Amino acid sequence: GDSVTQMEGPVTLSEEAFLTINCTYTATGYPSLFWYVQYPGEGLQLLLKATKADDKGSNKGFEATYRKETTSFHLEKGSVQVSDSAVYFCALRPGNQFYFGTGTSLTVIP
Amino acid sequence: NAGVTQTPKFQVLKTGQSMTLQCAQDMNHEYMSWYRQDPGMGLRLIHYSVGAGITDQGEVPNGYNVSRSTTEDFPLRLLSAAPSQTSVYFCASSYSAERYTEAFFGQGTRLTVV
Repeated sequence: GDSVTQMEGPVTLSEEAFLTINCTYTATGYPSLFWYVQYPGEGLQLLLKATKADDKGSNKGFEATYRKETTSFHLEKGSVQVSDSAVYFCALRPGNQFYFGTGTSLTVIP
Repeated sequence: NAGVTQTPKFQVLKTGQSMTLQCAQDMNHEYMSWYRQDPGMGLRLIHYSVGAGITDQGEVPNGYNVSRSTTEDFPLRLLSAAPSQTSVYFCASSYSAERYTEAFFGQGTRLTVV
């Protein structure tokens, strides 16, 4: 069935470090892929998305490229800030349902 | 434009009680859904709706009921609360059921069943 496997956390980085959070998926057909961010006590917010192979989604310095050959959608940021501390969810939408990963907690220390 | 509004934000129930979690969206979205979020398990789909009058079950529907009489509202009913239903509940909507449309989430309802 359709599913998302996400890098387990928690991840702790120093400010200005490079971030990678791995995400791989299993799906039939041509799903869309998403990254969501959740700050403490809040709902999930869309960070970026890609709807077809080789698309690159980007927002607020974060990027992810839809790689169909490796079934991956890894999230990257070149220089993290303290304000990026949050939980990040990778998600898949092959049809009308969404499938979410288990989330990766990121803490950025000054 | 309020987006997706959930009420209440917090709730404590006794085992066996029933209650309704409210969800409303003002974006004229066709698709609405309910998830529960538990530590280490991500978000799991409870029920969803692709339009008014149409609902379907997700991954974990047992113990929950939904209806969709209007485009705007999608309430989730707990029929007889159990401690296993202690969780954070999120309502989400998207413009359509098409795969390329993203979900918009409410702020969540933290439910404790004692």
